[in-house]
Amino acid sequence: NAGVTQTPKFQVLKTGQSMTLQCAQDMNHEYMSWYRQDPGMGLRLIHYSVGAGITDQGEVPNGYNVSRSTTEDFPLRLLSAAPSQTSVYFCASSQGGASVYNEQFFGPGTRLTVL
Amino acid sequence: GIQVEQSPPDLILQEGANSTLRCNFSDSVNNLQWFHQNPWGQLINLFYIPSGTKQNGRLSATTVATERYSLLYISSSQTTDSGVYFCAVRLGGNTDKLIFGTGTRLQVFP
Repeated sequence: NAGVTQTPKFQVLKTGQSMTLQCAQDMNHEYMSWYRQDPGMGLRLIHYSVGAGITDQGEVPNGYNVSRSTTEDFPLRLLSAAPSQTSVYFCASSQGGASVYNEQFFGPGTRLTVL
Repeated sequence: GIQVEQSPPDLILQEGANSTLRCNFSDSVNNLQWFHQNPWGQLINLFYIPSGTKQNGRLSATTVATERYSLLYISSSQTTDSGVYFCAVRLGGNTDKLIFGTGTRLQVFP
C-alpha cells in the first residue's frame, strides 16, 4: 500500500492564480480531510469528507473548495490564491464510519508559497 | 470549542536523557493520537491511545481519559528524536475530525 499520497510536493503561485492539490489513498478509507499548518503552529482542519459525495467544512474553510467523487481521491482547490494561504497542506484519511478503530494517517504534505 | 494544550512548549535534552510530554484537553474525547513531526516536516504516527498505556520501544504513552490528559514518555533520547510532538484528539459524533495541540518542540543534542 502506498498509503496517503499528495502531489505536488512544492508549489509557488502568484496572487490570484488557481490550482488543485491532489490527495489519494489506497486503504479504502471512508474519511478524508485536509489540514493546513502555518509556521510554529499545529494543524488546522480545512475541509473533510465522511464518504464519496459528502463533504463539510472544518475550522478554516474560506478560500478553499473540495469535492469527493470517489473513495480514493479528495482534491483541494484554491480558486484565487492569496498570500495568507502560504502554508504546508496535509491530507489525511481514516477508516471512519462506525469503526472504533479510527487512527488517522497523513500524507507527506504540500508546501505552498503564494507571492 | 475544545482546547488542547501541550507542555512544555520547548524541551532541550542531551542524548540519553528521559523526558515526559503532557497533553491536556478540556472536554471528553473519543480518541487521542500522538504524532512526531520530524525536521523534514513528515508527520509520523506514534500512538493511537484513547485510554490506557502503550509502549513501542523507547517510547510509551498513557491516556487517562477521565482526567483529560495524556503523557508521552521518551527514554534514552537520541538525536533522531528531535522534532515537534503533537497530540490530537477526536471528538464524538460521526466524523473523525482531529483537534491538534500546539506541540512540544524537542531538541536532542549529542
